[in-house]
Amino acid sequence: DVKVTQSSRYLVKRTGEKVFLECVQDMDHENMFWYRQDPGLGLRLIYFSYDVKMKEKGDIPEGYSVSREKKERFSLILESASTNQTSMYLCASSLFSFGTNEKLFFGSGTQLSVL
Amino acid sequence: AQTVTQSQPEMSVQEAETVTLSCTYDTSESNYYLFWYKQPPSRQMILVIRQEAYKQQNATENRFSVNFQKAAKSFSLKISDSQLGDTAMYFCAFMRPSYNNNDMRFGAGTRLTVKP
Repeated sequence: DVKVTQSSRYLVKRTGEKVFLECVQDMDHENMFWYRQDPGLGLRLIYFSYDVKMKEKGDIPEGYSVSREKKERFSLILESASTNQTSMYLCASSLFSFGTNEKLFFGSGTQLSVL
Repeated sequence: AQTVTQSQPEMSVQEAETVTLSCTYDTSESNYYLFWYKQPPSRQMILVIRQEAYKQQNATENRFSVNFQKAAKSFSLKISDSQLGDTAMYFCAFMRPSYNNNDMRFGAGTRLTVKP
């Protein structure tokens, strides 16, 4: 089975701290994604990457950056955490495919609280 | 940009009964994929069912089936013989495949409670 692992299930940080959320997948997927989940808003795409060192902004990239130095690992960085970044963060991965078996595999999420 | 709308924030159903969750989407694309994902309290997103837009036949997975109306841009999920384990958040999602990414867009979700 595909496994997408997020390093922390719960995280509590202070305003202004630099925060790293880590995600690792074990299926050699080309694509990796970071979503933010908020009640009433569903999942919103922050950033995605389709290859090592490649990244593209999603719908809500402000206040976030990402890093993909290795194919299996995709990191989300909050440069200076703010209270409005308190949320559930979901990492996902998928194969680079076109018209075959598109779907996303998700991690179990990191619930981040910024105090 | 594609948008996905789930108009029912919360729903409930009695065990063993049938429930239908609604989803509409907006796109100008002709080739795309639609999904229903389930998120139980464990937070692990689980793929329930997947529909390819070019297929007219509605997808079915055991007790789960969809009613895909392409012209109306509607994609509802029917859960038959509801079970307590079906209690979860359900997300409708849209994917437009492209050569360098397959990013997926989600609705706001419907919280389903199955009552004993």
